[in-house]
Amino acid sequence: NAGVTQTPKFQVLKTGQSMTLQCAQDMNHEYMSWYRQDPGMGLRLIHYSVGAGITDQGEVPNGYNVSRSTTEDFPLRLLSAAPSQTSVYFCASSLDSYSNQPQHFGDGTRLSIL
Amino acid sequence: GNSVTQMEGPVTLSEEAFLTINCTYTATGYPSLFWYVQYPGEGLQLLLKATKADDKGSNKGFEATYRKETTSFHLEKGSVQVSDSAVYFCALRGLTTDSWGKLQFGAGTQVVVTP
Repeated sequence: NAGVTQTPKFQVLKTGQSMTLQCAQDMNHEYMSWYRQDPGMGLRLIHYSVGAGITDQGEVPNGYNVSRSTTEDFPLRLLSAAPSQTSVYFCASSLDSYSNQPQHFGDGTRLSIL
Repeated sequence: GNSVTQMEGPVTLSEEAFLTINCTYTATGYPSLFWYVQYPGEGLQLLLKATKADDKGSNKGFEATYRKETTSFHLEKGSVQVSDSAVYFCALRGLTTDSWGKLQFGAGTQVVVTP
């Protein structure tokens, strides 16, 4: 019963490097999203997707790209890492965007940018 | 836009004490309200939810009532255990066109329960 799987769990990058955070869900959920968690600020929405081939920006999208080529996968790309992107990143999924089904979260990726 | 305000922590309690975490919101229309819990090193888990005014969500001894008149969704538990130590997030899910499906989170409240 995997749910939402995020990899890697930890990563250290140097400023200017690029990387992709992986997120996969096995529940056939239409809606997927990425959040970042920073102290005292709760979780803030970066990007989201209401289905394969459809993505949109959230509250803090700058510096991040996403794509949704399949229902299962929703990777988050940092094109040129900056220290301000040091954070814990969570991927979440839910059945759809219009019912009140809960969002299921992965265990997070802790990212440090030096 | 939508926003959620919850009390700052950390909240430190002794085992079997009463817990209240205040949460108020600003939103257009009638959003759905949620409490999520995050245990150390883990992702967020849904604790309870309420989808309309006067609804009471409950789970694992926790309760919260959707109060439209005071725009509040306070979390309560009558007798906490050490295992309840976690960070608790209040969240709302907007139902207007520009916020459809998106979760807006409060800053989170850390709760520490000591034996």
